Amino acid sequence: ETGVTQTPRHLVMGMTNKKSLKCEQHLGHNAMYWYKQSAKKPLELMFVYSLEERVENNSVPSRFSPECPNSSHLFLHLHTLQPEDSALYLCASSYSAANYGYTFGSGTRLTVV
Amino acid sequence: EDKVVQSPLSLVVHEGDTVTLNCSYEVTNFRSLLWYKQEKKAPTFLFMLTSSGIEKKSGRLSSILDKKELFSILNITATQTGDSAVYLCAVGGNYGGSQGNLIFGKGTKLSVKP
Repeated sequence: ETGVTQTPRHLVMGMTNKKSLKCEQHLGHNAMYWYKQSAKKPLELMFVYSLEERVENNSVPSRFSPECPNSSHLFLHLHTLQPEDSALYLCASSYSAANYGYTFGSGTRLTVV
Repeated sequence: EDKVVQSPLSLVVHEGDTVTLNCSYEVTNFRSLLWYKQEKKAPTFLFMLTSSGIEKKSGRLSSILDKKELFSILNITATQTGDSAVYLCAVGGNYGGSQGNLIFGKGTKLSVKP
């Protein structure tokens, strides 16, 4: 384990479902991130939270809704997804949003059917 | 548009070989370049480079940055099967208030055969 825990590890959902991805870190980090990793594409930044405040929304569709209730937890709420949203969703954390020393979680493999 | 390009995209070698992975970048207000190893899911940190010409080493791995030519290389000597992974290059620049953003390349998939 890296210190950043993501659940579930795998998720299959229909296009009309609502589900949530969870990320948890107890490393004392103040910044948390969601990245999307699709096949044959670079990791794409989705959201950045610093001290529980969203500081970046990288043009992500509204069917993805992040939530950061405290500096240790980050959620990604999913609803009415499309098959092209199937990907590995990685959570990461770092000491601050200006610090590149990311620790990544193992990701959630999402399949939208 | 900011971008990070890695080459080759995939590479097959035999144990004991030495490999060099390449990363070139075009990023506004460059701050740092990072290398990660991704074996199954979670990328793990290898190196962070901020200054040109200073080699960083960790065991059989080493990396160097050239800020004039805008590229970095990652060398692995005496490769082992456990080095098989996707190696990711990422570059961080100043993007207004979100300075922690990293732009990733597509990665180089390294396969080391026994």
